[in-house]
Amino acid sequence: DIQMTQSPSSLSASVGDRVTITCRASQGISNYLAWYQQKPGKVPKLLIYVASTLQSGVPSRFSGSGSGTDFTLTISSLQPEDVATYYCQKYNSAPFTFGPGTKVDIK
Amino acid sequence: QVQLVQSGAEVKKPGASVKVSCEASGYTFTGYYIHWVRQAPGQGLEWVGRINPNSGGTNYAQKFQGRVTMTRDTSINTAYMELSRLRSDDTAVYYCARDWGEDPLLSAWGQGTLVTVSS
Repeated sequence: DIQMTQSPSSLSASVGDRVTITCRASQGISNYLAWYQQKPGKVPKLLIYVASTLQSGVPSRFSGSGSGTDFTLTISSLQPEDVATYYCQKYNSAPFTFGPGTKVDIK
Repeated sequence: QVQLVQSGAEVKKPGASVKVSCEASGYTFTGYYIHWVRQAPGQGLEWVGRINPNSGGTNYAQKFQGRVTMTRDTSINTAYMELSRLRSDDTAVYYCARDWGEDPLLSAWGQGTLVTVSS
């Protein structure tokens, strides 16, 4: 099975900072990569799919890129409401494995 | 609107089985896969498997093969996940989620069911 890794595992940044999270697949998955946001105590929320397409209603400060094995999620200007854990997930074929997550908080 | 309502919290002893339900409303139940995802306390998301409510066909993560069974009852728009031979490390919140149909993207989630395995 394809394994998913993320880095960093956690980060702390100031409001307004640009934040980048990396996700790597152990084999190529084309662009079948989604990002989910999970705020504390809440269910996960789909943010981005096909690596770079924003789900409806997601603020434009979020963006995604990548293809093959390497992907990034960028928050262009971190806001207090972005405090959450972010997970990537491959969905080219089952099993639809999640990455281990990146916890983002405010410095 | 799409809604998934799960059964309540469970406490089980090691070696026992648990069956969690997920009642769907607001859409055609047989038109979309239901996935199950779990999250151990303080840990990340783990995909357990999915069921096609139309055919009953399933895909399970290899880790759970032989211990998990996903079923559905189309007469009451409900999906089930049963996990057997429970261990303490199965303690987690179990979520059901509906996908988009053409893609396994999870856009609607149940509220989660806490399963605690303890002697």
